[in-house]
Amino acid sequence: GQQLNQSPQSMFIQEGEDVSMNCTSSSIFNTWLWYKQEPGEGPVLLIALYKAGELTSNGRLTAQFGITRKDSFLNISASIPSDVGIYFCAGLALNAGNMLTFGGGTRLMVKP
Amino acid sequence: DGGITQSPKYLFRKEGQNVTLSCEQNLNHDAMYWYRQDPGQGLRLIYYSQIVNDFQKGDIAEGYSVSREKKESFPLTVTSAQKNPTAFYLCASRHTGLPVGELFFGEGSRLTVL
Repeated sequence: GQQLNQSPQSMFIQEGEDVSMNCTSSSIFNTWLWYKQEPGEGPVLLIALYKAGELTSNGRLTAQFGITRKDSFLNISASIPSDVGIYFCAGLALNAGNMLTFGGGTRLMVKP
Repeated sequence: DGGITQSPKYLFRKEGQNVTLSCEQNLNHDAMYWYRQDPGQGLRLIYYSQIVNDFQKGDIAEGYSVSREKKESFPLTVTSAQKNPTAFYLCASRHTGLPVGELFFGEGSRLTVL
């Protein structure tokens, strides 16, 4: 099946720092999604991207749908302790029907 | 409040036993999904159902079974045929009229095989 390579696998940063993570694939995707999962919870949708080149913000979070349609980026500005969690990218490939492919996740830890 | 309820939250099983994980939603969603989550890996699709009395295998269906007798309920049975069942299991649902990414997840069930 499709594969999404998400990096970095983990990050340990100081409160106030900006964070960047990305997902790449060898396949073309027509939808990119970013989820956050807090400990003991299910993932929650943060941002959805539906057009190549699209740049969307949700508070301190900004995500972009790569022009090549094979990658996506998530940035978090001025991190705070409650940003801790696992961030997943997910994509919908052209011939995947309505089945999402998930990246391996980026575990974010924030030091106050 | 509307949402998805998974139970139990934690479950221990001896090898050779079947166990059933419950997933109930009161969101009036048509489609329901079961995912498996392992450390350092993305979510992998086990089974999904887009309508009552119909379901389809996902990428890793071997050793699992499901039923969809009611719109609200989509239980997952982990059978003894599943070779490595210890994992975190997530149920999700969505309204088929919404974009595919608008999945709502339950809080998960952690299964440990002793």
